[in-house]
Amino acid sequence: DQQVKQNSPSLSVQEGRISILNCDYTNSMFDYFLWYKKYPAEGPTFLISISSIKDKNEDGRFTVFLNKSAKHLSLHIVPSQPGDSAVYFCAASVRGSQGNLIFGKGTKLSVKP
Amino acid sequence: EPEVTQTPSHQVTQMGQEVILRCVPISNHLYFYWYRQILGQKVEFLVSFYNNEISEKSEIFDDQFSVERPDGSNFTLKIRSTKLEDSAMYFCASSERQGMGHFGNGTRLTVT
Repeated sequence: DQQVKQNSPSLSVQEGRISILNCDYTNSMFDYFLWYKKYPAEGPTFLISISSIKDKNEDGRFTVFLNKSAKHLSLHIVPSQPGDSAVYFCAASVRGSQGNLIFGKGTKLSVKP
Repeated sequence: EPEVTQTPSHQVTQMGQEVILRCVPISNHLYFYWYRQILGQKVEFLVSFYNNEISEKSEIFDDQFSVERPDGSNFTLKIRSTKLEDSAMYFCASSERQGMGHFGNGTRLTVT
């Protein structure tokens, strides 16, 4: 039962260009969404989050867009840098769930110099 | 920057043995979590802990699992009788408020 889906296992982007990572969800009770970045041999690192009352949140080079009607969110990285190469996880939680995050399977981003 | 630390980084144990995975959360955080990631699969929620008690747990977190905060700094996950399928990366996380976990680098548990 995949409540959070990241349908692209990998993405390759040229340095300086935009990276767009996509995530779909099925549970309409999700009200908080997060993106994590993970390097090999490290734990996930929090990047950016968005509440369901918003449709956009921006933090430096990272912007997350939420389309509730389509149950879709995306992470934009502009401009992409080689250091952004990592696995990106989308995660979601239900209000009041005390932090039970449901993760997607991840998308491996490669940013080529 | 404060971080969540986990020990050991790698634990090898025989099937049926008990293991304790240790975590030191960030000091001013109030919410504590354990997640696991079986090789090639997604990160899965195990349990959340707040105010010295379990606040939520998943179906994975059965009677073989327990968590404890034995003092003001440590947060442990015990697996009473390990099975082969318990082999995974176990991540501890903590947060100031619900949902935004700061993760440790994980403990790789190998059950032989």
